[in-house]
Amino acid sequence: LAKTTQPISMDSYEGQEVNITCSHNNIATNDYITWYQQFPSQGPRFIIQGYKTKVTNEVASLFIPADRKSSTLSLPRVSLSDTAVYYCLVPTKNTGFQKLVFGTGTRLLVSP
Amino acid sequence: EAQVTQNPRYLITVTGKKLTVTCSQNMNHEYMSWYRQDPGLGLRQIYYSMNVEVTDKGDVPEGYKVSRKEKRNFPLILESPSPNQTSLYFCASTPYGGSPEAFFGQGTRLTVV
Repeated sequence: LAKTTQPISMDSYEGQEVNITCSHNNIATNDYITWYQQFPSQGPRFIIQGYKTKVTNEVASLFIPADRKSSTLSLPRVSLSDTAVYYCLVPTKNTGFQKLVFGTGTRLLVSP
Repeated sequence: EAQVTQNPRYLITVTGKKLTVTCSQNMNHEYMSWYRQDPGLGLRQIYYSMNVEVTDKGDVPEGYKVSRKEKRNFPLILESPSPNQTSLYFCASTPYGGSPEAFFGQGTRLTVV
């Protein structure tokens, strides 16, 4: 199971781009990188998943360098409502399913 | 609306009084799981189920039971709750084993006094 490391917290202001980097040095060849978002008192919500290079959806972009030992979640022009905890996961298949291991995540605070 | 529904949302109980937290999903997902979330410890998996009648322990199963008699329901049972089970609990479902996208319920905040 690939261990992930990400900053405990980050601060930003409305309208700025936020980049949250996660390191996963022992990622396996077949592993994907997955990010979740959690608002206070709510369950986590899947944001994005990628394997290499760049993935973009309506919420965020995910950048993964060639060595795949790290990844960066990019949130363009954040708003107050983006204040949340962001989790980087590297799910590992175990007996046919992907085990999700959530660390303590990165607490993003967006201020006016 | 596709969703995972947990009940109750809040519960205060006394030590030793058996309780059940229900979880139901309407997406026909195969895989369901229970997590607890505690400050500083993140989310930890309690039990999971890969399909009807197939369940297995997660990382912190002690003091909990589960059952999966129907595909849509996955109740969490605390036979004899103790104060160290005071936590925020989440149920989640995943369409199939290889999917990284889990759908979480709104959570159950349990206090055991």
